[in-house]
Order: sequence, then C-alpha cells, then structure tokens
Amino acid sequence: LAKTTQPISMDSYEGQEVNITCSHNNIATNDYITWYQQFPSQGPRFIIQGYKTKVTNEVASLFIPADRKSSTLSLPRVSLSDTAVYYCLVGASTTSGTYKYIFGTGTRLKVLA
Amino acid sequence: GAGVSQSPRYKVAKRGQDVALRCDPISGHVSLFWYQQALGQGPEFLTYFQNEAQLDKSGLPSDRFFAERPEGSVSTLKIQRTQQEDSAVYLCASSLGTLNTEAFFGQGTRLTVV
Repeated sequence: LAKTTQPISMDSYEGQEVNITCSHNNIATNDYITWYQQFPSQGPRFIIQGYKTKVTNEVASLFIPADRKSSTLSLPRVSLSDTAVYYCLVGASTTSGTYKYIFGTGTRLKVLA
Repeated sequence: GAGVSQSPRYKVAKRGQDVALRCDPISGHVSLFWYQQALGQGPEFLTYFQNEAQLDKSGLPSDRFFAERPEGSVSTLKIQRTQQEDSAVYLCASSLGTLNTEAFFGQGTRLTVV
C-alpha cells in the first residue's frame, strides 16, 4: 500500500497562500489522492480529492503532476482558523476489493497573525 | 442527523473492563470505517465494513477488539479487558460508495483506561 510523506509542520501568516507538498512514490494506478483537515478534538474533515492535473473547489486547489508521485495542496489566503493538521492520503485498494485510507503523521499548519 | 454520530464522546474505563463504542453513520452510506488515533498521531485503520459485511479487519490490534454492523447501518466497536495502551480516540467514518469516495468522520470517542 502506498505511503505518504509530508512536512511535519509549517508556519504561515494570515493572508498568505500556503502550499503543502506530499510525496507518494508508490501510488497505484487506481488510487486517488485525498486531503483531510483535522482540528483538535474533532474528526478529520474532507478538503479535496484528485487523480491527476489540477482540481479546485471553494476552499483549496490540488496540483498533481503527470507522474502522480507527489501532490501539492494549495490554500489561498489563509486565516487563523486554518490552523490545523493536514493529512495527505492515498486511497489504497486491496487485493480483496476493499479499500482503506492510510493516514500519515500529517502537517501541522500554524497560521500567525 | 446530517453527520456521523458517535457515542459516548468520552469514556473512562478501569483496566480489565469491557467497553462498547457506538457509531451511527450517515443514512444510506455503504462503507463504514473505524480508526484509532493516539495523541499526536494520525488515525490508524482498524476495520472496514461494506454494508453488514466486515471485509477488512487487518488493523484490529488484538483479539480483544471486535466490531460489528449487523444490519448495515449502526456499528459497534467492542474492546474486551481494556488495557492502558487502548487509551486513544476512536473515530468512525462512513462513505456513500466504496472506492475513492469522500469519507465523513464523526467526532470520535475518547477512551481513557485507568
């Protein structure tokens, strides 16, 4: 199953764009890349998912190069409330036809005033 | 409700006690997952259900852990003879489909074994 690697922590200032890169060298053909956000004492919350190229929604953009061995989550103009842990996941299909999401240690983003 | 609901939110158990954690997934969601999250760590996969079938239980740490989803909706994670190392947040998630669909997480149950 594919494993992801991302920076342990990042600091940013309010109003800046934040880019968090994740590497997933062993991603399989069927696997999508998904990002989750987690605040203290809450469950993870879905941010965005993509397979290749670029995906954009109302909160973030996801850039995936052609080889799909990495991806970058882009958060435009962050605010203090974006301080959280961000997880990059690769949806791992198993040989039995089931699937699971494997969480890494995540990136702790701290937004400063 | 609109989201995944877990109960209780907090549970304190004496070592050796049995506990049962409940998960009410979003209505109609086929897939249901249980994860264990230790303090400062990412969630660790425990088990996966597709409707009532438990298709993957490879993450259950020991035979003291048991999960069921008898009617394909509500799920219960049971831990027998709790140990201190079982202290963690237990997260439940559900999704509408099977492969690569958005999973919605509950707020979790924080289990403390004393």
